[in-house]
Amino acid sequence: EAGVAQSPRYKIIEKRQSVAFWCNPISGHATLYWYQQILGQGPKLLIQFQNNGVVDDSQLPKDRFSAERLKGVDSTLKIQPAKLEDSAVYLCASSFHLQGAGVNTIYFGEGSWLTVV
Amino acid sequence: GENVEQHPSTLSVQEGDSAVIKCTYSDSASNYFPWYKQELGKRPQLIIDIRSNVGEKKDQRIAVTLNKTAKHFSLHITETQPEDSAVYFCAASLSGGSYIPTFGRGTSLIVHP
Repeated sequence: EAGVAQSPRYKIIEKRQSVAFWCNPISGHATLYWYQQILGQGPKLLIQFQNNGVVDDSQLPKDRFSAERLKGVDSTLKIQPAKLEDSAVYLCASSFHLQGAGVNTIYFGEGSWLTVV
Repeated sequence: GENVEQHPSTLSVQEGDSAVIKCTYSDSASNYFPWYKQELGKRPQLIIDIRSNVGEKKDQRIAVTLNKTAKHFSLHITETQPEDSAVYFCAASLSGGSYIPTFGRGTSLIVHP
């Protein structure tokens, strides 16, 4: 089974520039998550999609971050303009989760490493 | 919202020793507790999980215990091996709903040969 695919794996940009990350979840997984993982910390949820609808984006800094999942499959996460504190690994994850159907395992991608200089 | 505290942040053991990592959570409604292992530069991977209707679960050398009253759960690794060296994350969430796990800050386990 193919895993969660992410690109690019590594990106270095200057502050105030923009960057976009792409994610392709495991086939058939309705739920997609974007997490931010700062060095030495656990993953922090930025946004969760169920199909193409947003379930939770309460921790997404909406003044600079945006995400979409237009056709309910692939997703993009954009940062514009980037700040130094945005340097982190951006992890995409997916799960085959039906509302009220209990828990399903979350599968993570390899992550996109962002360095803002 | 949920808050998960994880200790210790770093754990160093000799090969063959046991390792224990502890987590506490704040939301008494949480009922699903997965543990993830993340090797350097790689993705987090689920290694074991426990639901609130059981107190302990084992899978070969790893086990997880849950104390709902005290709101804490622990990961136990016996007979540690160098390949167990990684960062381990605990998480807590409410199953059956939108399932948004909150992660601890992670424990860096180092197993010395």
